[in-house]
Order: sequence, then C-alpha cells, then structure tokens
Amino acid sequence: KNQVEQSPQSLIILEGKNCTLQCNYTVSPFSNLRWYKQDTGRGPVSLTIMTFSENTKSNGRYTATLDADTKQSSLHITASQLSDSASYICVVSGASGGSYIPTFGRGTSLIVHP
Amino acid sequence: GAGVSQSPSNKVTEKGKDVELRCDPISGHTALYWYRQSLGQGLEFLIYFQGNSAPDKSGLPSDRFSAERTGGSVSTLTIQRTQQEDSAVYLCASSATSGGRSEQYFGPGTRLTVT
Repeated sequence: KNQVEQSPQSLIILEGKNCTLQCNYTVSPFSNLRWYKQDTGRGPVSLTIMTFSENTKSNGRYTATLDADTKQSSLHITASQLSDSASYICVVSGASGGSYIPTFGRGTSLIVHP
Repeated sequence: GAGVSQSPSNKVTEKGKDVELRCDPISGHTALYWYRQSLGQGLEFLIYFQGNSAPDKSGLPSDRFSAERTGGSVSTLTIQRTQQEDSAVYLCASSATSGGRSEQYFGPGTRLTVT
C-alpha cells in the first residue's frame, strides 16, 4: 500500500530559527515528490517538486532534498518567519493506469513564535 | 480571480440529506481532482477527471459519492444520504495537464458538517 509518513507531527520554533521536516514514503512506482504549504482555512500551495533524478530543490528560504534510494525527503526552512506558521504536506505521486494519483502525508504543523 | 473557486465555503446539513459541492477550475486546465481532508488526517484522493477520458473513481469511499464534470470545466461532487463520518473539508484542485509534474492548484475547500 502506498504510504507517506511525515515527522514531526507538530513543531514549535522561535522566529529566525531554522527547522527541518521529514518525509518517508513507500509509493511505487515513483513519479515525483512535492512539498505543499497549507495555511489555516486555505488550500495547499506547492513549494517544490522533485523527480527521482533531483536531489535538491530550493524555493527562497525553503530547500527540499530527496533520496530516492532510501525513499526519504526533507524540507528545510531557513530563518523562519511568523508567516511560515502552517501545515507542510509531503505528497508523492506514482503512476497508475496512465494517470497520476498522489498520496498525501498527514502534514507537519509548524508554529513560529515571535 | 484566476484561481480555483469552490462553493459553498461552508455547508451544514442533516444526516440523510443530499449535498452538492461545486468546483470551478482554472480556465484551460484539463485535469481536475477532488480530495477530502478530515481533521488530523492527510488529504484523501476521491476522484480525478482528465479531459474527455473516463474519470478515475478509485478513491470514492462509497456509492453515495459521485461527481460530474460538465463541458470539461465545472465539476460537482454529490454526496447522497450524508452520514456524520462525511464531515470534512472537501478540496478541489486543477492542473494544466495530467502529467505528474503538472502542479495542482487547490481551491479554498468546502467545509461540510453533517449533524
């Protein structure tokens, strides 16, 4: 069964600090992995996307890594800001019958305190 | 606006009633997805439309759930004889193509509460 596990479930950090969120997956065959940011009451917004051949992808203060061998990904947030408070969701897409059905992790809830 | 819109934003219904949730995707996007997000859970895939192809309904939890996409644009998710366990946020997303690299753009969701 395709699964995406994220850790930690929740995280509280002080403004300006860095943090790293983890994602392990068992989706096969693998197509790509995305990290989404979901603000409260809003739909998720894509931060990064990586295929199996990509190890690192950055988007501003967000840097995602992917190890396709160990099926692990991380999202590193540098110099956190209050606006980073959100749920961060790891999404892995496989290939099924020609379509791409993603598997979502439960997300990591990040709270940035001033 | 140019984003994905959903209506209503909130819906409270009594157990046993039918509900319809609407999604207006980004113009020109051929792929459309419906998801369900329960409290403390990850997004659960429900159904996927791609152009004129037959939809992928593999995620629908029961035959009480159905969805249509008319004219390749607006989609309606219908839940018949609602149950309390149907309470969740229902999210719609669209993407330019069906390819796995095509980013999905999400709407704000419809929060459904079944009393």
